[in-house]
Amino acid sequence: EPEVTQTPSHQVTQMGQEVILRCVPISNHLYFYWYRQILGQKVEFLVSFYNNEISEKSEIFDDQFSVERPDGSNFTLKIRSTKLEDSAMYFCASSEVSKSTDTQYFGPGTRLTVL
Amino acid sequence: GQQVMQIPQYQHVQEGEDFTTYCNSSTTLSNIQWYKQRPGGHPVFLIQLVKSGEVKKQKRLTFQFGEAKKNSSLHITATQTTDVGTYFCAVSSYNTDKLIFGTGTRLQVFP
Repeated sequence: EPEVTQTPSHQVTQMGQEVILRCVPISNHLYFYWYRQILGQKVEFLVSFYNNEISEKSEIFDDQFSVERPDGSNFTLKIRSTKLEDSAMYFCASSEVSKSTDTQYFGPGTRLTVL
Repeated sequence: GQQVMQIPQYQHVQEGEDFTTYCNSSTTLSNIQWYKQRPGGHPVFLIQLVKSGEVKKQKRLTFQFGEAKKNSSLHITATQTTDVGTYFCAVSSYNTDKLIFGTGTRLQVFP
């Protein structure tokens, strides 16, 4: 069964450093998402992406964040200057279409630790 | 903004007992989805409900969507240790891509 994959599984970085989290969505999916989950809390929407541009973003997704689809398979989330409060699990998800009734499939996540 | 609350926050049950989690939205929903997240894992899609009053079953799991489409429940009959995890409802509104996750109910099952 096709899966969303993410790398790395765990990233440790110093405050102020840039990080790039990588995702490979399911191949025939057209809509891509990033969510984050601070330890012990609920999953929060960050951004959705379609046709090489941001479709929707949350208040969390400020100027420090950016997303990119550099090639036909990868989807990346960049945090330019990490803060302690960016420490969280980051999940990539993809869906075939972007209707409110479509299922989003989540990757295994990248645990980001900012020291 | 839209708020989605789940109760209870935690539930500890003995294996074989039933379990129910409730999800409540501040606004009318187009649909509701349920996800399960095992400890250390990622959200895994369980089911989607679309119609008012809809009831769906998956083996020991029963999902219900309220008549007003503002609340939902997940009921597990005769829990097993494999049911351990956090159950999240997730909602989306019309004309939006994002899922808004509920606060989750963490289920612990003791053998």
